[in-house]
Amino acid sequence: NAGVTQTPKFRVLKTGQSMTLLCAQDMNHEYMYWYRQDPGMGLRLIHYSVGEGTTAKGEVPDGYNVSRLKKQNFLLGLESAAPSQTSVYFCASSSAGASSGANVLTFGAGSRLTVL
Amino acid sequence: RKEVEQDPGPFNVPEGATVAFNCTYSNSASQSFFWYRQDCRKEPKLLMSVYSSGNEDGRFTAQLNRASQYISLLIRDSKLSDSATYLCVVRFFSNDYKLSFGAGTTVTVRA
Repeated sequence: NAGVTQTPKFRVLKTGQSMTLLCAQDMNHEYMYWYRQDPGMGLRLIHYSVGEGTTAKGEVPDGYNVSRLKKQNFLLGLESAAPSQTSVYFCASSSAGASSGANVLTFGAGSRLTVL
Repeated sequence: RKEVEQDPGPFNVPEGATVAFNCTYSNSASQSFFWYRQDCRKEPKLLMSVYSSGNEDGRFTAQLNRASQYISLLIRDSKLSDSATYLCVVRFFSNDYKLSFGAGTTVTVRA
């Protein structure tokens, strides 16, 4: 059982370059999330999706775009990378509903992005 | 003011010791509370939920104090494998899909 898989695991970009982070889950979860984690800041929500074809902004959406064309995939795009986007990015998924299942996030292993 | 605040630590304790730490939250209407564990350079994983009446899971005890708006985690008989960062997580609204994370409390258990 793979769970949540993120690719790539590491990437170095130059300022202004673009890239896409891919998140794939095989648990048939409705909800998917992209977080970034910076020292001393905790995880901050970038964008999330409550179902195929739907996305919504989180706390820190500026500079990022997302798409959820298939239920199992959630893509995070950086159109023009900036040094402030150097971070560790985590994708997560959870089951639907207001039940306790929606509270249990399964995370991917993370993607470490450095923007020079 | 941050929505969820934690003492970053680190808490350095010997094996077998008891360690406890708190997390405060700003929204009095917060609905659900959790502790996640994150090992160095790894992804967070759910440790336990925090119920109003308090709950235990083996050596771990979680408490909720709604009046003072904090949750706590106590680890008894600490093991080397308990060394990790513990993240306080809050769901503010029952119909909200988003969870808010604290920055974490680092615990180091030494032999």
